[in-house]
Amino acid sequence: AQSVTQLDSQVPVFEEAPVELRCNYSSSVSVYLFWYVQYPNQGLQLLLKYLSGSTLVESINGFEAEFNKSQTSFHLRKPSVHISDTAEYFCAVSQGYSTLTFGKGTMLLVSP
Amino acid sequence: DVKVTQSSRYLVKRTGEKVFLECVQDMDHENMFWYRQDPGLGLRLIYFSYDVKMKEKGDIPEGYSVSREKKERFSLILESASTNQTSMYLCASGVGGPASEQYFGPGTRLTVT
Repeated sequence: AQSVTQLDSQVPVFEEAPVELRCNYSSSVSVYLFWYVQYPNQGLQLLLKYLSGSTLVESINGFEAEFNKSQTSFHLRKPSVHISDTAEYFCAVSQGYSTLTFGKGTMLLVSP
Repeated sequence: DVKVTQSSRYLVKRTGEKVFLECVQDMDHENMFWYRQDPGLGLRLIYFSYDVKMKEKGDIPEGYSVSREKKERFSLILESASTNQTSMYLCASGVGGPASEQYFGPGTRLTVT
């Protein structure tokens, strides 16, 4: 069975600094990878996804993630964060069916 | 826009009560899901449904059941609520297939006293 590891439960960062949220997965077959974001008191929403093709995928609000098959990683990055990026971020993997396996989440805390 | 609604944002129930959590989606999605979210544990799949009257167990189905009588509605039932079922419950829907996005409702925070 696949699993997802998010190595950091919390990442504190100052506004306008770069950030990387780490995600590693385990799977012996091809996977589809997702990052979801949960703002305070809201449900999850899709940030970006990797299905195939280019290993670098981008979101509309400046985040990007790179699929690295050899390292089984899908780290999320942003070169300059805003206060409004404060949220919990979940990495997820889909394999074969329609279900997702989620990581435990990383809380991104952006301070002025 | 896809909309997934859940019947309550906050719910307080007593131990032993039967609890119904309702979820409705308006995009004609085939698949619907129920998760619980706990601090430090992320999201864990309780049950999912890929068609009306069809259901599959997820990773933590014990103590829960589900009902899907209509395509747009998926209910989670706690037959006899216990304090260890105090949690945030999230419903989601999707078109189906391994590459498909899931759309989430705002969640129901259930407290069992």
